[in-house]
Parts: sequence; structure tokens; C-alpha cells
Amino acid sequence: QVQLQESGPGLVTPSETLSLTCTVSGGSVSGGAYYWSWIRQPPGRGLEWIGYVYFTGGTNYNPSLKSRVTISLDTSKNEFSLKLNSVTAADTAVYYCARQRRSSVWFDPWGQGTLVTVSS
Amino acid sequence: QTVVTQEPSLSVSPGGTVTLTCALNSGSVSTSYYPCWYQQTPGHPPRTLMYSTNSRSSGVPDRFSGSILGNKAALTITGAQADDESDYYCALYMSSGISLFGGGTKLTVL
Repeated sequence: QVQLQESGPGLVTPSETLSLTCTVSGGSVSGGAYYWSWIRQPPGRGLEWIGYVYFTGGTNYNPSLKSRVTISLDTSKNEFSLKLNSVTAADTAVYYCARQRRSSVWFDPWGQGTLVTVSS
Repeated sequence: QTVVTQEPSLSVSPGGTVTLTCALNSGSVSTSYYPCWYQQTPGHPPRTLMYSTNSRSSGVPDRFSGSILGNKAALTITGAQADDESDYYCALYMSSGISLFGGGTKLTVL
């Protein structure tokens, strides 16, 4: 059974870079059937897809975040990472990693999520 | 800008039937968007209910069903139960490979 777990700082200073890692267990990130995705949810609000990385290293990002986002894959560690630069308070959210079935919006499983607060 | 729209809130009586919808401001929703539905309770990650329009995820009761109704994707709950009270999100897959979530529907069972 595939499980995902997010890790990283819970507090980030404005204008700095948010960095999170998602560790995958029970399965490999090298399979071609899936994308490896990040999704966020500001407190009390809805879900926003951030982007994904494929096992080839190819990526696709939400156009609204594209200029600030990098998602990368480390197959040797079976994990993938999110970097979001120049953060503001508007980036405060619970960040989820999820496995996404290729060419669909089927996200399953999800990590438990990690709250990242942007504040000085 | 493409936007996915859901009813902000709906209510249903226990045992009743309710339909949640998922619309696109740029046109009709079809199976080509592979609509999915997620259920979320506070403090938990979303749970997949439905994928590819009408395929039920493992363990999801058959009182949940998915369809295309007119120009929208739809999730119907037949015989609603108290623990169906949750937030529900639809998601659509765009031809560019981008995923879009709707704003969510808060369902009250009362």
C-alpha cells in the first residue's frame, strides 16, 4: 500500500523560499503510470493544484504559480520536492502531496498534509 | 481564466437525495475532462469518492454515484446519512495537463 508523507519547515519568512519533501513508501516514484503532485489548501478555503513531476523529470505547473514553483524528483531516495519562492502570507496553507494517475485528476493516495505559515 | 464552479452549500434530509454539480465557465463538462469527486472532513486530507466521471473508488458506498447531467458533472447521494456531512470537491483534467478544482460544496445533513 503506497503511503506519502510530507516534511519540511512549518514557518517560512516572507520573501524566502518554501521547501517541502514528500517521501513515498510502499511503491516507487519511477513508475510511468503516475504523476507526483502537490496541492495546497489555505485555511478555511478550497483546494488548489500546484503542479506535478513525472518519472522522466518532466513537470507541469499551475499557471498562476508557474513563475515561482519548482517540483523535482529524487528516484534514489524515492521522494519528490516542492520549492516555492518569494512567498507571502497568501501562501500560508496546508500543503499536500499526492499520487496522481497519469492524464487524469485522480489523486490517490494523499499525504496527511503539513501546515506552512508564512510570517515574520 | 478557466474556473470550475460548485454550489457553495447544500442541505439534505437524512435518507434524502441530493445532487452536487461541477460546471466550467468556458463550456460544457464532458467525460473528456475525467471528472473526479473528493470528500473532505475537517483536519483530514481529501478522500476520493469518484474518478473518471462514474467509477467509484474502493470502499465507497454505492449510495454515491457520478454522472454528466446536461453540461455539468454531477455527484448524487441517494439515502444520505449523517456522516455524509462534509465538504465535497470536484476536479477536472484540462487538455493542457493542468488540474482544476472547484471551490467546494459544504453539505449539511439535517
